[in-house]
Formats: sequence, structure tokens, C-alpha cells
Amino acid sequence: AQSVTQPDIHITVSEGASLELRCNYSYGATPYLFWYVQSPGQGLQLLLKYFSGDTLVQGIKGFEAEFKRSQSSFNLRKPSVHWSDAAEYFCAVGAPLTSGSRLTFGEGTQLTVNP
Amino acid sequence: GAVVSQHPSWVICKSGTSVKIECRSLDFQATTMFWYRQFPKQSLMLMATSNEGSKATYEQGVEKDKFLINHASLTLSTLTVTSAHPEDSSFYICSASGTGGTQYFGPGTRLTVL
Repeated sequence: AQSVTQPDIHITVSEGASLELRCNYSYGATPYLFWYVQSPGQGLQLLLKYFSGDTLVQGIKGFEAEFKRSQSSFNLRKPSVHWSDAAEYFCAVGAPLTSGSRLTFGEGTQLTVNP
Repeated sequence: GAVVSQHPSWVICKSGTSVKIECRSLDFQATTMFWYRQFPKQSLMLMATSNEGSKATYEQGVEKDKFLINHASLTLSTLTVTSAHPEDSSFYICSASGTGGTQYFGPGTRLTVL
């Protein structure tokens, strides 16, 4: 069975500081990995995804994530956080690229950005 | 691209009434749509998966007679909460997936049952 763990429930950083959100997954085959962001009262916006190829993937809003198979990790990073980045972040793992593949989400990490 | 809309964005209803929520993929054909429920400060809980023209597949513990899902076209799926009760109050989010497999999410619907 697939599972996702986001070890940090809540992270606080200062504006301009770097950020790393952790994500560990368990999956029996090649994982398809996603990071989504959710602002309060909103749906989820796709930040980036990893299917294959280069293990460092670039996303929107200056985010990137690195897939490390040996560590079963897919951590999200940003070199300089902006106040508008405050939100809930979800890591998810899915089955191979088929329309009906379901996602398994982590519990989320709440990011607070201090001025 | 890959925009998904939901309507309404929020709804308040009386206990015992039914509420319909629409999910539309605006610029792509969604062969599969998913319905999630999210409680405050929690992750998303998958309720059901629906494929266009087929019956929805419900997750264990989700009452199919209470949460009716219809996916009549490649751009529209509806979730009807029948005989709603206060415990059905929640944030309902849909997502749509095309042939590429990535799920794109709608903005969510806040349901409050009085």
C-alpha cells in the first residue's frame, strides 16, 4: 500500500529565509509524486510533479523538489520565502500515469511566514 | 490551462434537504473526476472516483446512497448530498484528471447544514 508522511505539521520561517518541507513516501513501484499548495478556504494548486527523468524538478512560484529514491523522499524547497507563501502544503503519491490513478496525500505542513 | 471550477462555492441548507455540487473541467476533457472531503486542519479524504459514463467507485465507509455522484459528460460531474444532516457539513473538493493522469483541483465548496 502506498503512503506519504510529512513529518512537520507546522513550520515557521522568516520572510526571505530558505525553506525545505519534507516528504517521505512508501510505494511499491516507481512513484509519481506531487506537491500541492492550499490557501485557506481554497482548493489545491499544483506546484510541481515528478514522473521520471531529472530528479530535480522545477515548479511554479520559485519552488523546486528533489526526488531521492534511496531515501524515499521528495522534499520541497524554496531559496527565499515570500509572505504570500504562507499556506498548507501537501505531498502526494500516485500510481502510473493513467487517468483513473488515485492520489495518496500526506497530512500536510502548515507554513507560517514571519515578517 | 487545466482549470477546474466548482459551484456553488458555499451553500447553507436545512437538515433533511438535498444539495447538489457541480464540478467542471473548463479547458480539458476529464475522463476521471474525484470527490474529496476535507475537515478543518486535516488532509483530503477521497470519497469516490467517477469515470465518464460509468458508475462511481466509492471508498470504504462512504455511503453511496447518501452521496450521489453523476459523471454524465467529460467536463461535468455532480455530487448530491441527499437528506443532509449537520454532520455532513464540510469542505468538499473535486479534482479532474485527463489522459495525463495529473489531478487538477477545483476551489472547493463549503457546505453548512443547519
